[in-house]
Formats: sequence, C-alpha cells, structure tokens
Amino acid sequence: DAGITQSPRHKVTETGTPVTLRCHQTENHRYMYWYRQDPGHGLRLIHYSYGVKDTDKGEVSDGYSVSRSKTEDFLLTLESATSSQTSVYFCAISESRPGSSYEQYFGPGTRLTVT
Amino acid sequence: KNEVEQSPQNLTAQEGEFITINCSYSVGISALHWLQQHPGGGIVSLFMLSSGKKKHGRLIATINIQEKHSSLHITASHPRDSAVYICAVHSPLKYSGGGADGLTFGKGTHLIIQP
Repeated sequence: DAGITQSPRHKVTETGTPVTLRCHQTENHRYMYWYRQDPGHGLRLIHYSYGVKDTDKGEVSDGYSVSRSKTEDFLLTLESATSSQTSVYFCAISESRPGSSYEQYFGPGTRLTVT
Repeated sequence: KNEVEQSPQNLTAQEGEFITINCSYSVGISALHWLQQHPGGGIVSLFMLSSGKKKHGRLIATINIQEKHSSLHITASHPRDSAVYICAVHSPLKYSGGGADGLTFGKGTHLIIQP
C-alpha cells in the first residue's frame, strides 16, 4: 500500500470555525490532490498540487485553500466551515503527470461534520 | 467537461453470478480507471486502461474507445466483492492553465453479493 495518511480521520466542528486537514505521504510523489465525496456525486477535485508551493484549483475550490511547504505534506484548510462542507475528504497522490500513464493512490479519508 | 455515467447504480446478485458494471463518458480520454471502495471508505485502484482489455484474477476490464464505453466484469462473484465500484476518466486539458489535473469520477455502482 502507498504510504498515505490523513489526519484527523474524523472531526466534528461548528459552523464558522477554521479547520485544517492534513495529508502526509512517504512516497515522495510529486502530485497531490484533495477530493471530496458526497452522496449523489462522484469524487470531486477541490485543489491539487504539482510541487512544493505549486497548487491550483479544482472543480469545487470555493471555501477551501491549500498549502504545500514540503513534498510530503498537503494541507487543506476550510477558513470558515459551513454545513455544506460536511463530507468525506480524500487525499490522493501520483508519481507521474496526468496525461501520461499514471495511477493515483488514495488516503483513508477524513470524515468531517460541520454542525 | 467530461460526463461519466455508470450503470447500474445499485446491483444485488447471488454468489457465483457473473457481474457486469458499465461506464460511459462523453468526450475523448487518455485513460480510464476502475476503483473499488469498501465499506469503511478505503479506495483502491483496480485497473487503469486506455485500450483493449485487462484481467486480474476474477476481474476483467474492457474499454471501447470509439464507443466511449468501458465495462468491469466479475466472474464467480463472492460476498467479499461487495463494494462500491467507481469509474474515473482522465481528460487532458480539462483545466486551463496547464499543470496537473485530476480525474472525473462516476457516481459509483453499489454492488452487494449475497451468499
């Protein structure tokens, strides 16, 4: 299994509070991704990173920010959590640039509930 | 934006049955992935293919690029195959500005194999 951990694994927070989710990898892969998974939707890309300090927006980036100061860590921050951000969040990594043959490896997920 | 449709959404079958899950997409792709998500949430990559057919144990994945369609087959199904099966496609240039991009996911097929 690819060495990907996410923390915390479960979190309950109140509306309006800031929340940071962490993704940590030991594979030294260049590309990292944050997705959210909701009933009735497929996994949707929030933000991705193609190197240290290099990040870009995905399909559902509003209300989220990310940072990557080290190859191994990719942080997802909800500046002011809302109930619509209740979801399961998955981190993924890949070694190769998308568009070539590559696989993404997924972390175990973080279940976030905003009350 | 590429649209990914999976069918059926839900499937219940008896142990030993031959299972087929379908995936269709709307625009050309460079690769298609089949993923498996077990209760408890972990996501595992089963196949990545851009043409033809791949086989791994009792699982077979096929893709028809001209018809924009892929199928995942499970032979001699077993209760441990019960999971959500997710189709995902990579579409180059999905996002403007270059850089890494992610995948577009189907909503998943919930498969239950009864003993």
